[in-house]
Amino acid sequence: EAGVTQSPTHLIKTRGQQATLRCSPISGHTSVYWYQQALGLGLQFLLWYDEGEERNRGNFPPRFSGRQFPNYSSELNVNALELEDSALYLCASSLGTGGLNEKLFFGSGTQLSVL
Amino acid sequence: GNSVTQMEGPVTLSEEAFLTINCTYTATGYPSLFWYVQYPGEGLQLLLKATKADDKGSNKGFEATYRKETTSFHLEKGSVQVSDSAVYFCALSTNTGGFKTIFGAGTRLFVKA
Repeated sequence: EAGVTQSPTHLIKTRGQQATLRCSPISGHTSVYWYQQALGLGLQFLLWYDEGEERNRGNFPPRFSGRQFPNYSSELNVNALELEDSALYLCASSLGTGGLNEKLFFGSGTQLSVL
Repeated sequence: GNSVTQMEGPVTLSEEAFLTINCTYTATGYPSLFWYVQYPGEGLQLLLKATKADDKGSNKGFEATYRKETTSFHLEKGSVQVSDSAVYFCALSTNTGGFKTIFGAGTRLFVKA
């Protein structure tokens, strides 16, 4: 069974451009989570989507946005890129019960470099 | 607010040594606690979890006990192997301010043969 897949693996952009990152969850999972992993800062929670709706959002500016499609795949869009947006962006999926014991399954990430 | 603090790495041990990676948390309510592991070149995967005070999670020889009185969830293993070399993340799940899982900064472990 396929795990969580993310594309592209690497993305290079310049300041001010827009980046689009994609994620396909495990089959049967309805929830998708996005995290930013900047060097030395651990994983910072960005967004949670479930059943096509944004359910929760971390402490990030509005230029970080996304959506979830009817097939539960998801896009993360980062507008007006800044140098400090350079990081590994991780997507995770889960069954979507929303309970505290929810186990997250992670993809390998998209490394975004902003020059 | 909710947060997770874990010991800075890297931690370097010889094979068969005892491992402790410290993790403390701040949370309102009654969070669930997790350890995730990231092996080289792979995504994070759940190692173990505990859902209430005094619960002990265990897997692959690793264990951690949910200590509410000290707000801690330290990871231990009695005898590490080279294959345990990875980055370990402590995490908590909370419904405060909406459901989310919050991670610590990660601790890199190197095990030498």
